[in-house]
Amino acid sequence: SAVISQKPSRDICQRGTSLTIQCQVDSQVTMMFWYRQQPGQSLTLIATANQGSEATYESGFVIDKFPISRPNLTFSTLTVSNMSPEDSSIYLCSVEALNRPFFGPGTRLTVL
Amino acid sequence: DAKTTQPPSMDCAEGRAANLPCNHSTISGNEYVYWYRQIHSQGPQYIIHGLKNNETNEMASLIITEDRKSSTLILPHATLRDTAVYYCIVRVGSGNTGKLIFGQGTTLQVKP
Repeated sequence: SAVISQKPSRDICQRGTSLTIQCQVDSQVTMMFWYRQQPGQSLTLIATANQGSEATYESGFVIDKFPISRPNLTFSTLTVSNMSPEDSSIYLCSVEALNRPFFGPGTRLTVL
Repeated sequence: DAKTTQPPSMDCAEGRAANLPCNHSTISGNEYVYWYRQIHSQGPQYIIHGLKNNETNEMASLIITEDRKSSTLILPHATLRDTAVYYCIVRVGSGNTGKLIFGQGTTLQVKP
């Protein structure tokens, strides 16, 4: 299996600021995925991050708002830029291992 | 563009089987069905997945209809710890590299 950790686990931020979320995996993986889960809602894929290439964003998500880094095969970051209260969500990292996706514990973000 | 439809909520008595239905009438021939569950404030946990044959593991059974347009997740002896949101997910694209498209999920309440 893949063990995924995320930092921070939660944060409360002011409008207009940015937050960078870290995702660490205990094994090397090709693809890492970032999801958003708005309050009371299901998960929505933000982007797919491959090591050594630009992230691929889903419809409705743009790089300027959610820049992603993937410096190596075990680590990725997602930045939520110029935050507004509408960005209050749980952000989850996911990787593929043993032919199935594994999810991190999530980062609960509240924007005031 | 969720590809699955689930009842929003279900109740089940402790010790009884929980049968969670899912419709995925637009599924393509090479797209897998995955089931995950999410206990409050945690990342989704893998349960089971399948393509066209019924599957069973230590957690649950997955019954997929012959036309693949629907499936049922069976928890054989539900416990209070099985109370969670259950997501039926179609993996879009081929094999194990496609995107997960989450539906809205079923909130299962196991009652004593």
